[in-house]
Amino acid sequence: DAKTTQPNSMESNEEEPVHLPCNHSTISGTDYIHWYRQLPSQGPEYVIHGLTSNVNNRMASLAIAEDRKSSTLILHRATLRDAAVYYCILGTSGSRLTFGEGTQLTVNP
Amino acid sequence: GAVVSQHPSRVICKSGTSVKIECRSLDFQATTMFWYRQFPKQSLMLMATSNEGSKATYEQGVEKDKFLINHASLTLSTLTVTSAHPEDSSFYICSAREGSSGANVLTFGAGSRLTVL
Repeated sequence: DAKTTQPNSMESNEEEPVHLPCNHSTISGTDYIHWYRQLPSQGPEYVIHGLTSNVNNRMASLAIAEDRKSSTLILHRATLRDAAVYYCILGTSGSRLTFGEGTQLTVNP
Repeated sequence: GAVVSQHPSRVICKSGTSVKIECRSLDFQATTMFWYRQFPKQSLMLMATSNEGSKATYEQGVEKDKFLINHASLTLSTLTVTSAHPEDSSFYICSAREGSSGANVLTFGAGSRLTVL
């Protein structure tokens, strides 16, 4: 499984943008980049995914580097409800997804 | 959107007994389901992959005779923890995938917290 590297923790202030980085230097050409988040005592929640182009949805934006060796999840205006562990995961079509340690995001009021 | 229901959300059992956890895809057919476990302050660990109508594929180090997985229909997978012991106490989470092509987006259940006394 291709490995991802994320900071252990990050902090943000409410209503400010948050940029969560992920390095994946060993990504293969068929790996999708997935982001999930997990609130305490809950199952993970899908956030966004992409392959080569930047992606936007109602929750977040995903910026993918041109060489695909890194990506950034962007929360445009953080709220207290965005405080969670964010996981960046690589996976090919039909493959299983394995989780790394993720980034604990703290949002300050 | 896709919804996965997991039941029970919490269960307490005595050591030596077996516990069954159900995972249902409510509004889609899940060709593949995955089972994870999570210990406090740790990440999710993939236990096994189950495909409807076939035997589950277990990750290295996961005892298949202890964690029985059945995926008898396209909407239901079950995990049975047999002869549970206190060290099996954990947060068990299932996820489901609709179809087998494309980006492989998973929908997760809310998790089942097992406490073995």
